[in-house]
Amino acid sequence: KAGVTQTPRYLIKTRGQQVTLSCSPISGHRSVSWYQQTPGQGLQFLFEYFSETQRNKGNFPGRFSGRQFSNSRSEMNVSTLELGDSALYLCASSIEDGRQETQYFGPGTRLLVL
Amino acid sequence: GENVEQHPSTLSVQEGDSAVIKCTYSDSASNYFPWYKQELGKRPQLIIDIRSNVGEKKDQRIAVTLNKTAKHFSLHITETQPEDSAVYFCAASRAGANNLFFGTGTRLTVIP
Repeated sequence: KAGVTQTPRYLIKTRGQQVTLSCSPISGHRSVSWYQQTPGQGLQFLFEYFSETQRNKGNFPGRFSGRQFSNSRSEMNVSTLELGDSALYLCASSIEDGRQETQYFGPGTRLLVL
Repeated sequence: GENVEQHPSTLSVQEGDSAVIKCTYSDSASNYFPWYKQELGKRPQLIIDIRSNVGEKKDQRIAVTLNKTAKHFSLHITETQPEDSAVYFCAASRAGANNLFFGTGTRLTVIP
């Protein structure tokens, strides 16, 4: 099976702009979680989607939002970008069959805000 | 919410020696504890995980132990090899919640 894929891999934006990142989970996986990775804060949970519904949310401002489509692909959006939003954004998918919790990560989208 | 602490932040060992990384967690409801390895510029990859109904799990040179009473779990790597050099993250969550709380990472360097 193909692994989790994310597009784009690299992105440069300026303050105030908005950005949309995309994540395609492993075939058959129904849950997609998003994480932000920075040198200062480490890996932090943003939100999780399952069956097109946000099921869990981390402690990030409302500028961070997401959605999931019927094919389980997910997008996250960051509006009004700030310099501090520069980070590696990782998505992870899991099968959600009630027996396994393993999350498989994508390669990430590296966002630089200037 | 959950708070996961990880020590040490850096660890250097000679090839062939063992490495131990320790984590503590705060939420007694957490019952799923995975360990991820992240090489430079690569995605985090699961190397082993343990659930709270198990005290120890081993996979070849890698083992994880869990003490639910003390709320701590550890990663043990034996017979380390240079390719084990990477950043290792512990994490905790409630099973099925799919919201992992990560430790701050341990940079392991294996010296040939």
